Amino acid sequence: GAGVSQSPSNKVTEKGKDVELRCDPISGHTALYWYRQSLGQGLEFLIYFQGNSAPDKSGLPSDRFSAERTGGSVSTLTIQRTQQEDSAVYLCASSLMGQGYHTFGSGTRLTVV
Amino acid sequence: DQQVKQNSPSLSVQEGRISILNCDYTNSMFDYFLWYKKYPAEGPTFLISISSIKDKNEDGRFTVFLNKSAKHLSLHIVPSQPGDSAVYFCAASVGGADGLTFGKGTHLIIQP
Repeated sequence: GAGVSQSPSNKVTEKGKDVELRCDPISGHTALYWYRQSLGQGLEFLIYFQGNSAPDKSGLPSDRFSAERTGGSVSTLTIQRTQQEDSAVYLCASSLMGQGYHTFGSGTRLTVV
Repeated sequence: DQQVKQNSPSLSVQEGRISILNCDYTNSMFDYFLWYKKYPAEGPTFLISISSIKDKNEDGRFTVFLNKSAKHLSLHIVPSQPGDSAVYFCAASVGGADGLTFGKGTHLIIQP
């Protein structure tokens, strides 16, 4: 597609449940990033995929968070045993190698009740 | 610790005047800086960037200034327009390829 597509746009889940968030990057973009924005905060880097290299997972806040990128395209961010502090907007972005800037999707608003 | 700081949560500017948004950073390894604009319920949109080898970059009404010795950058918007009302995020990276480090944002309000 023309832009970065994320689904669902909104997700309400019960504490303790697992959730999966999906990201379709711009076709041809080799780099894919996940960020989250909690209320009143800036964007917090979570994980970065570049081509076939091992992902940079340095931003994942706990081992309940994981992400994968299949076939160098679509990515799924999984949060296991969700907690209320996981409530945030989860943003995916992609870029061409060496482009410098990211193109963001509209995000998934996750609410854990 | 916050490596990128935007100390003004909000800024109100009259239409037609200059808007100046400020950003400070602490990590001297940062060598690439960006500004993003964000409307409610949308993802951030890239505005303008600057490499550490420059001290100014201009694109239409938007100019970014970088003062490496002070670890400070600013975004100037002139003239300010109603559509510029949004949250502006400053971001930085090392090498321009890895994840970005963002500030908390400044909410710019353009008054008619």
